[in-house]
This record gives sequence, C-alpha cells and structure tokens, in this order.
Amino acid sequence: QITLKESGPTLVKPTQTLTLTCAFSGFSLNTHGVGVGWIRQPPGKALEWLALIYWDDDKRYSPSLKSRLTITKDTSKNQVVLTMTNMDPVDTGTYYCAHRILWFDSWGQGTLVTVSS
Amino acid sequence: DIQMTQSPSSLSASVGDTVTITCRASQGISNYLAWFQQKPGKAPKCLIYGASSLESGVPSKFSGSGSGTDFTLTISSLQPEDFATYYCQQYNVYPLTFGGGTKVDIK
Repeated sequence: QITLKESGPTLVKPTQTLTLTCAFSGFSLNTHGVGVGWIRQPPGKALEWLALIYWDDDKRYSPSLKSRLTITKDTSKNQVVLTMTNMDPVDTGTYYCAHRILWFDSWGQGTLVTVSS
Repeated sequence: DIQMTQSPSSLSASVGDTVTITCRASQGISNYLAWFQQKPGKAPKCLIYGASSLESGVPSKFSGSGSGTDFTLTISSLQPEDFATYYCQQYNVYPLTFGGGTKVDIK
C-alpha cells in the first residue's frame, strides 16, 4: 500500500523560503519509472502542478515557478523535499505530494501553508 | 502550455441522476488524461487514467471516454458520496496541467 505524507511549516512570512518534506512508503524511488510530484491548491481554487522528480533524478518544474523551486530526493530515507523561495501571500494554499507512474495515482493528505507577516 | 477547459464549472443534480462532465485540451494529448474526485478538505483521488481506464477500487458507475482534445467523465446513478469537485489533468507533456474543476452539488 502506497502512502505519502507532507510536512512543513504552517505559516511562513513573505520573502521567506518554504521547505516541505514528503515522506512515503509502499514504493521505492529507485524503481524504474517512478516519480514523486508536488501539486498545490489555493483556497477554493484549482490544482496546480509544481514539480516532479524521477527515480533517475530527472527533475521537471512548472515553467512559471521554475526559478523559485528546487526538488530533491533522499532514497535512503524515502523522502522528497521541495523548496520554494521568496514566498508571497498568493502562495498560500494546500501543498500535496503524489506518487506518479504516468498519472498521479496516490496522494498525500496535503499540508496547508499560509503566507502572512 | 496545454490549457485544460472543463465544462460546466458547476452543476446541480439529484440522487439517481446521470451526469456528464467535459474536458477539452487546447491541443491533442492522445489519451494521456486522468480524472480526479476531490471532496472538501480531502486530497484528490484518481478515478480514471488513460482517458477511460478505471483506477483500482473505483466503482464502475464512473466512466471516461475521449481521445485527442475532447474527453468526458460520466457518473451514473449519483449517490450522496459522489457530490464533490472533479478535475481533469493531462500528462502528455510538461508542464502537467489541470482543468479548472467541476463542482457537482445536490439539487
């Protein structure tokens, strides 16, 4: 059974850097074809894909946010970390990590991040 | 970027109804389309992948069709637990993109 769980600060100040961790079980990020992605959702709005990292360390980013995002993996800990720099109130929302083969078939519960001074 | 346009953005239906949600891609994506169901305060749940393949454990009342640019999600015999927001997502090319969502509520 695949499970994922996001963790990180619930409140960050504008201009700060957000660091989120996705801890997963039930699969290995050493397995060919497997990826872990991050998706966010502002309150009351639609889903937005942010970043993906694959078993071979291939990384993909949303072009609109690429300059602010970094995704890394620690296969020994079964974790994926997303950092987002220069946070702004418009970045407030729920951040999800998800397991990907081709589609996002399993999701974490999400973590709400509020950006406010 | 490929734009995913869902219609309608919301609909009201009664228990027992059959509803259809449409998703249109701004360019062809073959069948690289997934549908998700999201209930308030919960993570999205994948219902369908490959435009028409049912995710394991998802009831057959959900069905998907389409290829290229036009796709549909049909939910038959609506039950109270089906009232939720539904999203389509293309995974043919980067950046991965989602539709704006369709909220299905009780009439």
